[in-house]
Amino acid sequence: EVQLVESGGGLVQPGGSLRLSCAASGFTFSSYWMHWVRQAPGKGLVYVSRITSDGSSTSHADSVKGRFTTSRDNAKNTLSLHMSSLRDEDTGVYYCARGRAALDYWGQGILVTVSS
Amino acid sequence: QSVLTQPPSVSAAPGQKVTISCSGSSSNIGNNLVSWYQQLPGTAPKLLIYDNNKRPSGIPDRFSGSKSGTSATLGITGLQTGDEADYYCGTWDSSLSAGVFGGGTKLTVL
Repeated sequence: EVQLVESGGGLVQPGGSLRLSCAASGFTFSSYWMHWVRQAPGKGLVYVSRITSDGSSTSHADSVKGRFTTSRDNAKNTLSLHMSSLRDEDTGVYYCARGRAALDYWGQGILVTVSS
Repeated sequence: QSVLTQPPSVSAAPGQKVTISCSGSSSNIGNNLVSWYQQLPGTAPKLLIYDNNKRPSGIPDRFSGSKSGTSATLGITGLQTGDEADYYCGTWDSSLSAGVFGGGTKLTVL
């Protein structure tokens, strides 16, 4: 069974940093592109980033470019999102998801709250 | 303001059919594959349609997808109360080099 489990969320002050992790199981992690998608409270889905299967290429939304870094450890089946210079508008539930053109499996999401 | 445009809400009676539109441009829908996602209240999104019109295993054929030019459409027939959810279209945007989603459409089954 494919499972994606996010961790590392919580409350952080504006300007602070946080590292999210996504533990993958039930499939060959190293064969799949992975993504981060976020959802502000009561709002829609917003693409954050994606990383290729071997980690050689990443892409980030303009709103997080230069502040967020996406990486993966294929030996540990783990996807990471390092977030720095956090802003109030980064608050929301962060989902990791598997796929290339379409996201076929999603984690349950982890809440990040940026507030003083 | 989302790159892809969806109606904020649609509604129909049980057993009826509804369509949800998703409008984009040549840099996204026009030249890339479209997916559709269903998000039930309090849960993670779930893939409903991929590659414009394909259904993953386990998705009933009441759900269908189509694409024409720079627009895509999700169709749902035989509406059930359990279909009440938010629906999102998504694709890649070649100009932005980023994924994009529609703003979401809330389906109410009256």
